[in-house]
Amino acid sequence: EAGVTQFPSHSVIEKGQTVTLRCDPISGHDNLYWYRRVMGKEIKFLLHFVKESKQDESGMPNNRFLAERTGGTYSTLKVQPAELEDSGVYFCASSQFGQGKETQYFGPGTRLLVL
Amino acid sequence: GNSVTQMEGPVTLSEEAFLTINCTYTATGYPSLFWYVQYPGEGLQLLLKATKADDKGSNKGFEATYRKETTSFHLEKGSVQVSDSAVYFCALSTGGGNKLTFGTGTQLKVEL
Repeated sequence: EAGVTQFPSHSVIEKGQTVTLRCDPISGHDNLYWYRRVMGKEIKFLLHFVKESKQDESGMPNNRFLAERTGGTYSTLKVQPAELEDSGVYFCASSQFGQGKETQYFGPGTRLLVL
Repeated sequence: GNSVTQMEGPVTLSEEAFLTINCTYTATGYPSLFWYVQYPGEGLQLLLKATKADDKGSNKGFEATYRKETTSFHLEKGSVQVSDSAVYFCALSTGGGNKLTFGTGTQLKVEL
């Protein structure tokens, strides 16, 4: 069974440009999470989808970030326009529903560098 | 709010040494506790977890016990190997959404 995949693995863009990150969760996982790790700091929660609906977006830093999950499958996270402080590693994770099935499985991350 | 504090790294050990990485937490309610590991060039992997007080999670020789009285979940391994070199993250989740709150991570380097 394929794990969580993320694309691209790395992205280098200039301040003011737009970048779109993609996450493909494990098939059948209704929960999808986005997290971010800024250099040297803790990994922070951004938002949580249940199928195609945003369950919790309390961690989204500002309105330059837009997340979608089309049809409850893959998800995209768009940053527009990107700022220097958006640099970091963006992780996606997915999980099932149900007691004992809530373990989150993480993708390898997308390393974003804004110059 | 929820928070996790773990010891700062990097931690450098010789092979076969004993490992302890301290983790303490603050949480509303009764959290589930996790240790995740990130090997070089890879994503986060769940190492072990515990869902209630006094539970012990274990995997690959690593252990951690959920201590409610000290709000701690310290990671231990009796004899580390070079292949254990990685970044270790302590985390917790509460509530129905299960979003994770992480510590800052501890880098472990094991040398021959």
